[in-house]
Amino acid sequence: DTGVSQDPRHKITKRGQNVTFRCDPISEHNRLYWYRQTLGQGPEFLTYFQNEAQLEKSRLLSDRFSAERPKGSFSTLEIQRTEQGDSAMYLCASSLFRVEGNEKLFFGSGTQLSVL
Amino acid sequence: SQQGEEDPQALSIQEGENATMNCSYKTSINNLQWYRQNSGRGLVHLILIRSNEREKHSGRLRVTLDTSKKSSSLLITASRAADTASYFCATDALNDYKLSFGAGTTVTVRA
Repeated sequence: DTGVSQDPRHKITKRGQNVTFRCDPISEHNRLYWYRQTLGQGPEFLTYFQNEAQLEKSRLLSDRFSAERPKGSFSTLEIQRTEQGDSAMYLCASSLFRVEGNEKLFFGSGTQLSVL
Repeated sequence: SQQGEEDPQALSIQEGENATMNCSYKTSINNLQWYRQNSGRGLVHLILIRSNEREKHSGRLRVTLDTSKKSSSLLITASRAADTASYFCATDALNDYKLSFGAGTTVTVRA
């Protein structure tokens, strides 16, 4: 079963360091989303792509965060100069978007980031 | 900001009992979805109900939607230990196709 895969599963870093996460979506899916989730909360939208185009980025997202989806396949999320407040689970999801709607998201298992 | 709010925040029931949780949202929607998350894992889609539907069933799940009250409920019948998880409602507002999630209801099913 080729679901959504994320790498790494866990990342521990020191404050000020840069980190990069990777997401491989389901191959035929045209949309890819990044969400962030902290303990006891629901996923918070960060950004999403349709094919290779980044269509929206959350207003809450700092300039330290950047995401790419070259060639409309896998995606990377980079956080520069990490802060302790960046500690969270970073979730990737993909979907097959159709104009008629009813889009279901398929999530990866997430990358748990701990900033010391 | 999160569109939906689930109620209650936590629920503990005995195996075999039914579990009901509610979701309220703020703006008009295209559809509403429910997802389940086991501890430390990603979310799994459970069921989707369109804005023009009032009730939907899937196995032991029953979802209702009241767009006039901007609310939905998820009923899990004959609960099992494996139903222990967090449950989230998610909505996509009109002309805004991304999903916004609530804070979730944590369900514990005791054997």
